Amino acid sequence: DTGVSQDPRHKITKRGQNVTFRCDPISEHNRLYWYRQTLGQGPEFLTYFQNEAQLEKSRLLSDRFSAERPKGSFSTLEIQRTEQGDSAMYLCASSADRGRSFFGQGTRLTVV
Amino acid sequence: DQQVKQNSPSLSVQEGRISILNCDYTNSMFDYFLWYKKYPAEGPTFLISISSIKDKNEDGRFTVFLNKSAKHLSLHIVPSQPGDSAVYFCAASKGGADGLTFGKGTHLIIQP
Repeated sequence: DTGVSQDPRHKITKRGQNVTFRCDPISEHNRLYWYRQTLGQGPEFLTYFQNEAQLEKSRLLSDRFSAERPKGSFSTLEIQRTEQGDSAMYLCASSADRGRSFFGQGTRLTVV
Repeated sequence: DQQVKQNSPSLSVQEGRISILNCDYTNSMFDYFLWYKKYPAEGPTFLISISSIKDKNEDGRFTVFLNKSAKHLSLHIVPSQPGDSAVYFCAASKGGADGLTFGKGTHLIIQP
């Protein structure tokens, strides 16, 4: 069990650029979640996949945000036309059922 | 509107004593509660959880208590150790295609 893996760990990008983050969940977990965490706040739920189906995406922050999980394994989160307000930690989590979720170490995004 | 509230941003406890972290929630649809621990630059790590059909769950030094009528839960750590110094997040779930709802966290500092 290698845990939830996220790549990259850090990303610095210029305003207006597109960024994509990758998450590899624990292999036997069919549920995958994306969260965003800003300074002084708890993680904020963004979207949820069960296998390859995206069952909840209304919490994505704007239409600049999108996520995929093409084969029900790894997932990507893309932010288009980044803004300074997108600077945050993006966390991925996976679970086998609606019980405890296991989190990755996160991708810290800085938009300059 | 914060549905999960941790009203103490920080808490300082002497090593060997009991640490008590508190959490209140407002949404009566929540039926599963979790505590996570987070070190800087890492993702949250699961500690302990409790279903709404129980009022107590223990795991080693950690005990979670749930008072459904008061919509309140607490995490007890006995005895507190230096390695317990971290930010603790309370989280709640209402099932379905939904992620966890987190509080803002409490920074626990264990004094030697």
